[in-house]
Amino acid sequence: EPEVTQTPSHQVTQMGQEVILRCVPISNHLYFYWYRQILGQKVEFLVSFYNNEISEKSEIFDDQFSVERPDGSNFTLKIRSTKLEDSAMYFCASSPNYGYTFGSGTRLTVV
Amino acid sequence: AQKVTQAQTEISVVEKEDVTLDCVYETRDTTYYLFWYKQPPSGELVFLIRRNSFDEQNEISGRYSWNFQKSTSSFNFTITASQVVDSAVYFCALSEARAGANNLFFGTGTRLTVIP
Repeated sequence: EPEVTQTPSHQVTQMGQEVILRCVPISNHLYFYWYRQILGQKVEFLVSFYNNEISEKSEIFDDQFSVERPDGSNFTLKIRSTKLEDSAMYFCASSPNYGYTFGSGTRLTVV
Repeated sequence: AQKVTQAQTEISVVEKEDVTLDCVYETRDTTYYLFWYKQPPSGELVFLIRRNSFDEQNEISGRYSWNFQKSTSSFNFTITASQVVDSAVYFCALSEARAGANNLFFGTGTRLTVIP
């Protein structure tokens, strides 16, 4: 069964550093998403991406965040200058339309 | 605005008991999708079911069943004869059907513990 692949599974970074979280969506899917889950809390929408551009973003997705689909297969989330409160599980998802397949997540720890 | 409420923060049951997880949603759209996801201790999100707003038929899949009641804006999930492997956090989610991307709005989750 097709999968959404996320790398790395865990990342530890120092406050102020830039991180790039990587995702390989399912190849024939059209919509791509990033979600965040702070430990013990609900899953929150960050951004959606369609037709090579951001289609919607939440208030969480501020100027320190950016997304890119650099080569037609990868879908990346960049956090420019990490803060302690960015520590969370980050999930990538892709969708052909209304179904979603989530990756297994990247646990980001900012120290 | 969209909202998903899971009022039960934590539930504990003894193995083989039945358990129902409640989900109440709010949306102004007439067309929308409802989901349940399971998050085991390993952290991944496991898809359980998707239901569109025009289909109010209840669904059963093995020990799992779902009761969609549009009149009360509820989409409850029942596990029959619970097992220890059912222990997880369960999230209910809503997606509105719009042109373009359709992001998911999640509830706060219900942590289910099944005691052997």
